[in-house]
Amino acid sequence: KAGVTQTPRYLIKTRGQQVTLSCSPISGHRSVSWYQQTPGQGLQFLFEYFSETQRNKGNFPGRFSGRQFSNSRSEMNVSTLELGDSALYLCASSSGGGISYEQYFGPGTRLTVT
Amino acid sequence: GQNIDQPTEMTATEGAIVQINCTYQTSGFNGLFWYQQHAGEAPTFLSYNVLDGLEEKGRFSSFLSRSKGYSYLLLKELQMKDSASYLCAAPAGTALIFGKGTTLSVSS
Repeated sequence: KAGVTQTPRYLIKTRGQQVTLSCSPISGHRSVSWYQQTPGQGLQFLFEYFSETQRNKGNFPGRFSGRQFSNSRSEMNVSTLELGDSALYLCASSSGGGISYEQYFGPGTRLTVT
Repeated sequence: GQNIDQPTEMTATEGAIVQINCTYQTSGFNGLFWYQQHAGEAPTFLSYNVLDGLEEKGRFSSFLSRSKGYSYLLLKELQMKDSASYLCAAPAGTALIFGKGTTLSVSS
């Protein structure tokens, strides 16, 4: 079974631009979560989607948004990029809707904002 | 809200045993996860505890005390490949709230 895939793996953008990251979950998984990882703050939850609906959202500004498609693939978008948005963005999928389900992480997208 | 604390760094030698502690404060308890993350790689699942006590999986064991808001990950017979960051996480709804991770360095 293929794992979680994320594209692109690396990205360099300038301040003020916007960016879209993509995540393909493990086949059959309907829940997709997004996290931001930085050295100072660690892993922070952005949002979670299940069957195309956002079920949970972390404490991030409205510049961060996401969506999920009918095939469970998900995208996240960051508009008006700031230097502080430089981070590793991780996507994770899980099979069920319950909180005890193990999350499988993708390799991440390394975003650098200059 | 949720608050999860764990030590920032730990060092140990090959063959030794190390215990990584995690204390948590959560509004409602729904279990505790441990993940391992090697540098430059994705986090991978190690364990999930929802009941008090010790759960053993080979060289790794995880302990939970709900009354004390405390968990630990025990790594036995340390190997160089165990050098990684170990992340404690608690569910909050359908999200996982992570501690900042403990970087473990294993030396020979």
